[in-house]
Amino acid sequence: NAGVTQTPKFRVLKTGQSMTLLCAQDMNHEYMYWYRQDPGMGLRLIHYSVGEGTTAKGEVPDGYNVSRLKKQNFLLGLESAAPSQTSVYFCASSHPYGYTFGSGTRLTVV
Amino acid sequence: GENVEQHPSTLSVQEGDSAVIKCTYSDSASNYFPWYKQELGKRPQLIIDIRSNVGEKKDQRIAVTLNKTAKHFSLHITETQPEDSAVYFCAARTDKLIFGTGTRLQVFP
Repeated sequence: NAGVTQTPKFRVLKTGQSMTLLCAQDMNHEYMYWYRQDPGMGLRLIHYSVGEGTTAKGEVPDGYNVSRLKKQNFLLGLESAAPSQTSVYFCASSHPYGYTFGSGTRLTVV
Repeated sequence: GENVEQHPSTLSVQEGDSAVIKCTYSDSASNYFPWYKQELGKRPQLIIDIRSNVGEKKDQRIAVTLNKTAKHFSLHITETQPEDSAVYFCAARTDKLIFGTGTRLQVFP
């Protein structure tokens, strides 16, 4: 039982490049979330999903897309990375309470 | 949408003293209020939570109170220890979990 697994853990992108962050959970949770955390700040919700095949916008969705094709996976995509997207990205899942967080992805856009 | 405000942003206490962190939320439909502790470079860890049908919950040195009428909730840590030093986040949930901006707690020996 791994809980919530995020890949990759670290990544450096050049401005304009694209990438996908993967979040996988093995707890059969219905709800999944993507947050970003900038230095010295709280977690801000990017997108979330209340079940397989559903997605919804959070507080800061611009510049990101998501997909939930399988219940256990929630993908976060950056189509054209910008330096403002440099951050630590956390994925979480819940059922709907009892949130479990992944260990984070540290993304740097240069 | 939901907005969560958290105060203070920093808090310094002497070991053994109590610490109180306060949060207010805007959406009266919020029904779940967790508190997280985050150490540097690590993921948030749940330390205590409360649902909207409960006014107070306690777990050893940690307690949370909820006032639904005023839409505010508070974290109380008693007999603080240096290992309590971290950033603490409150959050409120409707269909999504929204976080406060965090409180950096420093406990001095």
